[in-house]
Amino acid sequence: DQQVKQNSPSLSVQEGRISILNCDYTNSMFDYFLWYKKYPAEGPTFLISISSIKDKNEDGRFTVFLNKSAKHLSLHIVPSQPGDSAVYFCAASRGGSNYKLTFGKGTLLTVNP
Amino acid sequence: EPEVTQTPSHQVTQMGQEVILRCVPISNHLYFYWYRQILGQKVEFLVSFYNNEISEKSEIFDDQFSVERPDGSNFTLKIRSTKLEDSAMYFCASSEASGRIYGYTFGSGTRLTVV
Repeated sequence: DQQVKQNSPSLSVQEGRISILNCDYTNSMFDYFLWYKKYPAEGPTFLISISSIKDKNEDGRFTVFLNKSAKHLSLHIVPSQPGDSAVYFCAASRGGSNYKLTFGKGTLLTVNP
Repeated sequence: EPEVTQTPSHQVTQMGQEVILRCVPISNHLYFYWYRQILGQKVEFLVSFYNNEISEKSEIFDDQFSVERPDGSNFTLKIRSTKLEDSAMYFCASSEASGRIYGYTFGSGTRLTVV
């Protein structure tokens, strides 16, 4: 039951370039989407979220884009830094579910100096 | 910055034994959660807890699992009779009411190994 899919298990980019992490979902009842970053031996850390009534949300170097008709969202990191190297999880929340999050499998981002 | 604290960081137990995983959520948060991540797989929701009762649970959270907030600060997950497939990283999280907008705060996790 993969309601949230991250089809790229890994991504490698050069420092200073843009990182684009993609996520697809199947459940049209999802109305909030979140991105988390996870370093080894740590818990996931919240990065940015977006409501389904918006198509873009920006916070510093991080921008999330939502294409509701395509059920697709992406996280852009510009410029990428070596410290951004981590696993990035896309997660989705459905209204009325008491804030349960459904996660994707994650994408390992490696930013090379 | 406030954080969610989990203990122990690593627990090894024999199959069939009971384990209790402990968490101290952020003090002004109202919602508490347990998630788990089996090695190489996605982070999975187990249970959410609000106002001293379970508000939602997944199909994974069967009768062998229970949660408790015994003293107003700790939040525990008990697995009554552990199985090999319970081996996973267990994450506790907490949030204010708007957790799905501003995100949960996760702890660093407890790695449970059932042998």
